[in-house]
Amino acid sequence: ETGVTQSPTHLIKTRGQQVTLRCSSQSGHNTVSWYQQALGQGPQFIFQYYREEENGRGNFPPRFSGLQFPNYSSELNVNALELDDSALYLCASSSLGFGDTQYFGPGTRLTVL
Amino acid sequence: GNSVTQMEGPVTLSEEAFLTINCTYTATGYPSLFWYVQYPGEGLQLLLKATKADDKGSNKGFEATYRKETTSFHLEKGSVQVSDSAVYFCALSEDTGNQFYFGTGTSLTVIP
Repeated sequence: ETGVTQSPTHLIKTRGQQVTLRCSSQSGHNTVSWYQQALGQGPQFIFQYYREEENGRGNFPPRFSGLQFPNYSSELNVNALELDDSALYLCASSSLGFGDTQYFGPGTRLTVL
Repeated sequence: GNSVTQMEGPVTLSEEAFLTINCTYTATGYPSLFWYVQYPGEGLQLLLKATKADDKGSNKGFEATYRKETTSFHLEKGSVQVSDSAVYFCALSEDTGNQFYFGTGTSLTVIP
């Protein structure tokens, strides 16, 4: 069974640029969630995709957007980067349902200068 | 709304000591509760979970019981090891099954 993978591992961008982060979900999972984890904090929910449709969104501005593909992999796009966007971005895959565990990837460390 | 509150760290224990990390929650429905562990430079790994009141989750010597009356899900281990050093996150999942709410994490260091 292949786990959740994310790319790239690290990324450095400058303020105002755009970034795309990628996630491959675990085999058999149809749902992908994205989280932002600032240094020393717990992960904060950005949004979730289920069967290529957005299925819930946290308190993040529209410049955070996403996609899910037919193979259930996903992208997180962030436009007009700000310094506060520097964080670890985590992707989690799951089956959609009550009590289902989310399985996390290793994350992408984004630094905005 | 939904939220999770964890005891603040960092926590430093000697090997073989007893561990308790407190977690309380606020939820509008009937959430599932989770403990995740994060080792340095890695993503989150599921440690244990409970999906209804009075359920006990357990794994690798760690235990936590879903207490609806006190809205708590405290993590315990009878004898910690150096390899348990990590950051521990308590989390809840809404009864719709999508969004997870995490606490701020508790850093544990176990010294030989």
